[in-house]
Amino acid sequence: DTAVSQTPKYLVTQMGNDKSIKCEQNLGHDTMYWYKQDSKKFLKIMFSYNNKELIINETVPNRFSPKSPDKAHLNLHINSLELGDSAVYFCASSLRDQKNIQYFGAGTRLSVL
Amino acid sequence: GEDVEQSLFLSVREGDSSVINCTYTDSSSTYLYWYKQEPGAGLQLLTYIFSNMDMKQDQRLTVLLNKKDKHLSLRIADTQTGDSAIYFCAPARGRGKLIFGQGTTLQVKP
Repeated sequence: DTAVSQTPKYLVTQMGNDKSIKCEQNLGHDTMYWYKQDSKKFLKIMFSYNNKELIINETVPNRFSPKSPDKAHLNLHINSLELGDSAVYFCASSLRDQKNIQYFGAGTRLSVL
Repeated sequence: GEDVEQSLFLSVREGDSSVINCTYTDSSSTYLYWYKQEPGAGLQLLTYIFSNMDMKQDQRLTVLLNKKDKHLSLRIADTQTGDSAIYFCAPARGRGKLIFGQGTTLQVKP
C-alpha cells in the first residue's frame, strides 16, 4: 500500500540506450512531478503534470520525455542516455490545493556506464 | 548565487537541540517546507509554515521564519540518533514548484 511507488529502484545501463522509469500514486492526487538529485544532493524539478496536462517543464534536454497516461501515473522516458544523466530520480505527487504538499517516492538510482 | 542555501553539515550530541538554517531568495513563496531524507530513501515531509506566520511548533520541531531577511530555521529538540539524515528546506514558487538546495546533513552522536 505504498503511496508513491517508482520502478525500478536501480537502473544500470550503457550510454546510448533508451530507458523508462515508472511512477504510480494511490493517494488520489491530481498533480505529479519528476525531480533529479545529483551527486551533490541538489534536488531540481524537471516536470510537473496536473490532470495529465504538462504544467512545469524546466530546462531539460528533449531526450527526456514524460508521459502521463492518467492522473495516477507519470512515467519518464530517456533516450540516448549520457553519462551526465546518472543521478537519483524522484517522483512526487500532490493535491493542487493551497498547501500543495508533495509526497515523494523512494527514488530510482540511474547509473549510466 | 543559489536560490536556497543551507550549511552542508551539522553535528550534535544526542539529547542536544539542533538548529538548521536556510536562506532563500524568492520572497513570494507562500508556503515553505522542511523535508527529511534518510539514506537510500525518498523525501519525507517534516513540517511547513505559511508565509504570514513567524513561528510554528510541532512536537519536537520548531520552525522560525524571518520574511524580511528571507531566513528559515528548523529546531529539533532532544535530538535522537534516528534524526540523523539530510534536511532540506524548500520554499514553494508558483504552480507547485519547490526550490531545493543541497540540504544539511545532520549527524547525531550518541
